[in-house]
Amino acid sequence: SQQGEEDPQALSIQEGENATMNCSYKTSINNLQWYRQNSGRGLVHLILIRSNEREKHSGRLRVTLDTSKKSSSLLITASRAADTASYFCATDKDGANSKLTFGKGITLSVRP
Amino acid sequence: EPEVTQTPSHQVTQMGQEVILRCVPISNHLYFYWYRQILGQKVEFLVSFYNNEISEKSEIFDDQFSVERPDGSNFTLKIRSTKLEDSAMYFCASSLRGSGNAGELFFGEGSRLTVL
Repeated sequence: SQQGEEDPQALSIQEGENATMNCSYKTSINNLQWYRQNSGRGLVHLILIRSNEREKHSGRLRVTLDTSKKSSSLLITASRAADTASYFCATDKDGANSKLTFGKGITLSVRP
Repeated sequence: EPEVTQTPSHQVTQMGQEVILRCVPISNHLYFYWYRQILGQKVEFLVSFYNNEISEKSEIFDDQFSVERPDGSNFTLKIRSTKLEDSAMYFCASSLRGSGNAGELFFGEGSRLTVL
């Protein structure tokens, strides 16, 4: 089964607007993480939310987790052109301790 | 700030040749990973390594692939006989804790492999 499917696949917004990205997954998890990738670069960890948490904030980032729906959302508030990147959610499997599985990613374009 | 470093940044090779991609993980990290990303596509798990042995590998990681941590600092991925479909960006990552224990992965900048 596919873990970590994000939607939409692409999102284009104006600078200053909020960007909301969603992720769905299929199996029970220990935690869910969001990563960012600038074009041609490595992935950078943004935020982690544990399965017993419902919401978490970090600066302009807000992540929610609904384990009953097996879904998460990442909200970037007051977007900037520098937020233009691909965003990936990543999940582990409950009980496992060896790998994160990444989704296909969302391409966010923030127009100045 | 500590970082994961990867070499080479780009390698071009002929089909059938052996390739070794090198990584220096963050020094106090205990878990090591290789992922790959074919251009514009998802980031695919290849293998995880802990306590000097493979802890998990994907279907992609067949007999043509191997990993080593030869000297306590480097972590290498070897592709024994490259195929055209091995062309991708290969990312090394390391973490202090396992993923089940909220381990955050630190990625290198990647090694782009082009197989001709």
